[in-house]
Amino acid sequence: QKEVEQNSGPLSVPEGAIASLNCTYSDRGSQSFFWYRQYSGKSPELIMSIYSNGDKEDGRFTAQLNKASQYVSLLIRDSQPSDSATYLCAVKDDKIIFGKGTRLHILP
Amino acid sequence: SQTIHQWPATLVQPVGSPLSLECTVEGTSNPNLYWYRQAAGRGLQLLFYSVGIGQISSEVPQNLSASRPQDRQFILSSKKLLLSDSGFYLCAWSVTGVEQFFGPGTRLTVL
Repeated sequence: QKEVEQNSGPLSVPEGAIASLNCTYSDRGSQSFFWYRQYSGKSPELIMSIYSNGDKEDGRFTAQLNKASQYVSLLIRDSQPSDSATYLCAVKDDKIIFGKGTRLHILP
Repeated sequence: SQTIHQWPATLVQPVGSPLSLECTVEGTSNPNLYWYRQAAGRGLQLLFYSVGIGQISSEVPQNLSASRPQDRQFILSSKKLLLSDSGFYLCAWSVTGVEQFFGPGTRLTVL
């Protein structure tokens, strides 16, 4: 059974600080890794994709991948109240498997 | 640019009633299409996916079915709804088969 694990949270971070979201996965054959943001009552929105070990930066977001440790993370710099949402980690080999998400709350 | 539509946005149905949810994609040709369900407290569950007209793969055995009558249209159906069918139904599309993009979703409540 392929699994993607995330801490459900809530993770509370002060405004302006760095939010760090983590994800582990079980399938060593996974090749593609994604982070989705889901606001309450809305559908998930793809915010980052990463395919090779290391860091990938896009604006305030940095995705980090370590395939040897089967670990993916998302860093959000200069956290804003608008970043408050549930963040879903997703991992793909032949199919995409989603984690249950981490609720992030940015404290004003 | 690509746009994905789902309707209705919300739906309240009695147990045993039929269901039809529709998803359409604009701005792309021959996309892969997917139906997911997100139930309260649970992760996204892939229900069906399609790589072309009339081609449907089922991931979870249940009382739901899917059809793809046109290239950019994907329909989720049921003949008799169960209480356990309540949830947030999401249609997604992909051109590369890697990144998936979600529609706005349909929130279904079965009473």
